Amino acid sequence: GAGVSQSPSNKVTEKGKDVELRCDPISGHTALYWYRQSLGQGLEFLIYFQGNSAPDKSGLPSDRFSAERTGGSVSTLTIQRTQQEDSAVYLCASSLDSTSYNEQFFGPGTRLTVL
Amino acid sequence: QKEVEQDPGPLSVPEGAIVSLNCTYSNSAFQYFMWYRQYSRKGPELLMYTYSSGNKEDGRFTAQVDKSSKYISLFIRDSQPSDSATYLCAMITLLSGGYNKLIFGAGTRLAVHP
Repeated sequence: GAGVSQSPSNKVTEKGKDVELRCDPISGHTALYWYRQSLGQGLEFLIYFQGNSAPDKSGLPSDRFSAERTGGSVSTLTIQRTQQEDSAVYLCASSLDSTSYNEQFFGPGTRLTVL
Repeated sequence: QKEVEQDPGPLSVPEGAIVSLNCTYSNSAFQYFMWYRQYSRKGPELLMYTYSSGNKEDGRFTAQVDKSSKYISLFIRDSQPSDSATYLCAMITLLSGGYNKLIFGAGTRLAVHP
């Protein structure tokens, strides 16, 4: 079946511009997660959704970062006024739900480069 | 100090070698321990997970957890060039309300050369 998909796969933007990154989770998965992976670093948690609500936004690095999820499905991560330090791979994952242990399935990521 | 420490490598071994990958952690509340494999320009995929201390084997892979030492390992036997990837350890604390928050190590880059 279809896995987690993300678009675009690559995004090059100029400093100061806004970008939107999209994630389509696996159908039926109620939990959705955004992570950031910088070069040579592990995955840094950004935000988590259960349904359309975001109980944990603690990982968002600044108020330039926001995310929403609609219809319990697609999620969009928006970065306003991008900075060079925002350059990274942004990964999305989904799981059946957020209770107990459920495997998180990852998308291929969006590689963001801010010039 | 990071909650999860993992040597980023890189680690280069000849084909057929036994590989040992390790992570240490500081939070005794971690309950599940995972190893993810990430090929270049791909998302991580779950390789193995364990809940309790001890060993868990799956083919050429063995995951080991020592909760008393806060130390986990992944062993790869008879390593193959196709095993060349970044291996990330990850751990979960089940927060109140049942939310499972994954904490990742930095990942170890492994190269298996023919």
